[in-house]
Amino acid sequence: SQKIEQNSEALNIQEGKTATLTCNYTNYSPAYLQWYRQDPGRGPVFLLLIRENEKEKRKERLKVTFDTTLKQSLFHITASQPADSATYLCALTANQAGTALIFGKGTTLSVSS
Amino acid sequence: GAVVSQHPSRVICKSGTSVKIECRSLDFQATTMFWYRQFPKQSLMLMATSNEGSKATYEQGVEKDKFLINHASLTLSTLTVTSAHPEDSSFYICSAHNLERGAFAEQFFGPGTRLTVL
Repeated sequence: SQKIEQNSEALNIQEGKTATLTCNYTNYSPAYLQWYRQDPGRGPVFLLLIRENEKEKRKERLKVTFDTTLKQSLFHITASQPADSATYLCALTANQAGTALIFGKGTTLSVSS
Repeated sequence: GAVVSQHPSRVICKSGTSVKIECRSLDFQATTMFWYRQFPKQSLMLMATSNEGSKATYEQGVEKDKFLINHASLTLSTLTVTSAHPEDSSFYICSAHNLERGAFAEQFFGPGTRLTVL
């Protein structure tokens, strides 16, 4: 069956540390994978997109890796801040031709000062 | 980035009534809009894909006669929940995508509409 799994529902870290979130998928062949941030009661906000032929993407304190052999993406937030506390969603297309996104359940990150 | 708005942000209605939710792309033309539903502590679930000027494509298990989607222009899509029941209470979110920017263009999400059916 097809699945997207984000490794944990909740992740608690200290301010200044690096947060690492994991997204694993099964039985999909995505053209690309995206990471979104969602705050309570709000719609998702786009953070980063990584294509199947890209290994790594960076944007300021964010870094995403994509391993199509392992079928896994890692999302890193370096020098984390309390303002980074939110739910982070992994999303991918079902196949090479699709544009509709399939979302994981998300990981809720809490950064304490 | 591009802005997508939704209206209303929150609606409470009686069981059996119909509710219309609007999704607008404010500063770009959305060739495709998607409608999602999210229950508490759950993932966003795709309900339907809507292309301007054509019929929406519904995901398996989503009743097209209950969730009417209209995408009459490149900046507006509407979702009407007909004869709403308490189990339809959820957070409805739309997103907009401009395929002319390329298949890898990101989707821009609206702020969501909280529907509560009494």
